[in-house]
Amino acid sequence: GAVVSQHPSWVICKSGTSVKIECRSLDFQATTMFWYRQFPKQSLMLMATSNEGSKATYEQGVEKDKFLINHASLTLSTLTVTSAHPEDSSFYICSARDQRTSGHEQYFGPGTRLTVT
Amino acid sequence: GDSVTQMEGPVTLSEEAFLTINCTYTATGYPSLFWYVQYPGEGLQLLLKATKADDKGSNKGFEATYRKETTSFHLEKGSVQVSDSAVYFCALKGSYIPTFGRGTSLIVHP
Repeated sequence: GAVVSQHPSWVICKSGTSVKIECRSLDFQATTMFWYRQFPKQSLMLMATSNEGSKATYEQGVEKDKFLINHASLTLSTLTVTSAHPEDSSFYICSARDQRTSGHEQYFGPGTRLTVT
Repeated sequence: GDSVTQMEGPVTLSEEAFLTINCTYTATGYPSLFWYVQYPGEGLQLLLKATKADDKGSNKGFEATYRKETTSFHLEKGSVQVSDSAVYFCALKGSYIPTFGRGTSLIVHP
């Protein structure tokens, strides 16, 4: 089956610094990837849709200047949390859309735990 | 817009008990329906899916039937194991992006 990886799996950073999270589709090409945020004991909140070669589409209420998304290749999307603050601490999950499948299946990465101190 | 409603948890069961996690949805058109499982500290894994009315998805002993008349997709398992302890998300996908329920935590005791 299709595999999506994320790196790092967890990161601790100081307030005011920036953190980059990578999402890779390992055995398929993904023109579309999605970034989600998950708060403890809550569901996934879609942050943005990342499209290869074009600008990301952000959901309402998500600051595009704070959460920078780059989808430079068909297998890699990155999310950079700029000037991180403690309230940005969360579990960030990406998914990649496999267009080879008839239902355009989405495969999820294992997530990245961000803690901002 | 599309929405998914799941029963609130946590659901606490003894090993070998019967499991039902209710899920109902509202959507326009004919969405595909999914159940995802999230083990502690991990991302989501697709557990099963159904793409049209009356389809039954099944995997690892779990089953769910797409019921259009009741707009439901309840998850069932005849005999749960401790290793089934996780959070289960019901989701639907219409044309593009999935909509997730809030998740139901399942705790299985030996």
